[in-house]
Amino acid sequence: QVQLQQSGPRLVKPSQTLSLTCAISGDSVSSDSSAWTWVRQSPSRGLEWLGRTYYMSKWYHEYGGSVKSRITINPDTSKNQFSLQLNSVTPEDTAVYYCARWGHAPRYFDYWGQGALVTVSS
Amino acid sequence: DIVMTQSPLSLPVTPGEPASISCRSSQSLLQSNGYNYLDWYLQKPGQSPQLLIYMGSNRASGVPDRFSGSGSGTDFTLKISRVEAEDVGIYYCMQTQQSPLAFGGGTKVEIK
Repeated sequence: QVQLQQSGPRLVKPSQTLSLTCAISGDSVSSDSSAWTWVRQSPSRGLEWLGRTYYMSKWYHEYGGSVKSRITINPDTSKNQFSLQLNSVTPEDTAVYYCARWGHAPRYFDYWGQGALVTVSS
Repeated sequence: DIVMTQSPLSLPVTPGEPASISCRSSQSLLQSNGYNYLDWYLQKPGQSPQLLIYMGSNRASGVPDRFSGSGSGTDFTLKISRVEAEDVGIYYCMQTQQSPLAFGGGTKVEIK
């Protein structure tokens, strides 16, 4: 059974960096059959795919359009986890952030973290 | 980027009655291998989303057979044959054909 445990600050000031971590148990961040993904949810944007990292002979990183210039998703193989960093946040980045496991074949999200409400406010 | 559009936004339903949700993509999700890359998720109140249907019409493990997915190309439908009280929540379609992946805006299903 795969479990994803999210952690990180829940309050971030405008212009600063939002940082979250997703610890994986029951699978490996280096698995070649999975991609490790961040999704957020807000009343104004609904569910929004932010990006993912995965390993297939080398590491790949893919990011969504609305945050592409501000986002970094990195694996940490020593701790079997992956992280989200979102720079230069504004109140519009206030949302519930989820980490999730994506299967390459077939393609779907099968495991999700519990979600973390991150508020951007001074 | 592919844009996903769902309708209706809200769907009041009577237990035991059928329900249907529509999803349209801005580009075809049908690939040359014959598969449609479209998933359906249900987010129950206070929970993370859960997979219902993948690749257009395949029920995920443990999903009751009252849920079915159909469609091809750009037009897809999720049907519930007989709604139960536990089916309330927000339903999302999602295209999985190409990055960036994208969700529809959601359909809120509630009991009348």
